[in-house]
Amino acid sequence: AIQLTQSPPSLSASIGDTVTITCRANQGISLALAWYQQKPGQSPELLVYDASSLQSGVPSRFSGSGSGTEFTLTISGLQPEDCGTYYCQQFNSYPLTFGGGTKVEIK
Amino acid sequence: QVQLVQSGAEVRKPGASVKVSCKASGYSFTRYYIYWVRQTPGQGLEWMGIINCSGGSTSYAQKFQGRVTMTRDTSTSTVYMELNRLRSEDTAVYYCARSPWPIYYVDFWGQGTLVTVSS
Repeated sequence: AIQLTQSPPSLSASIGDTVTITCRANQGISLALAWYQQKPGQSPELLVYDASSLQSGVPSRFSGSGSGTEFTLTISGLQPEDCGTYYCQQFNSYPLTFGGGTKVEIK
Repeated sequence: QVQLVQSGAEVRKPGASVKVSCKASGYSFTRYYIYWVRQTPGQGLEWMGIINCSGGSTSYAQKFQGRVTMTRDTSTSTVYMELNRLRSEDTAVYYCARSPWPIYYVDFWGQGTLVTVSS
């Protein structure tokens, strides 16, 4: 199975900051990566798919980049409602796998 | 609007079985696939398998092969996930999740069903 490693596991940032989360795959997955946001007590929600395509309705301050084995999710101008845990997921091959998550908190 | 409404929380003893339902509405049921994904504090998000809501074919993660069965009822737009021979490590929130293709991202998640396995 393809393993995804996210870093950092958690971070604390101020409103307006630019936040970057990294997801590394242990083998190449081309652009087959999605990012999700999960708020406490809620289901995950899709933010980005195909590494850099923004899901409809997601604010433009979210962006994804990368290919192969290294990917990033960037939040440009952190907002209070952005706190939660962010997960990457690969869909290059079965079994589909997820990263361990990055918890984002507001300072 | 798209909805995936799951059945309520369950408590089971080790060795028992549980069947979780997921009723879809707001879209064409047979044009999508449903994944089952579980979430535990220790293992994070874990993909269990997929069912084709049109033909009913399934593919399961090797870890769950022989213990999980996914079925669907097109007349009620409902998908079911049954997990057998439960153990304490199966305590988790189980999600059904919609995908436009057999191997792709999830574009919509159910609300989750907590299954607790305890003696």
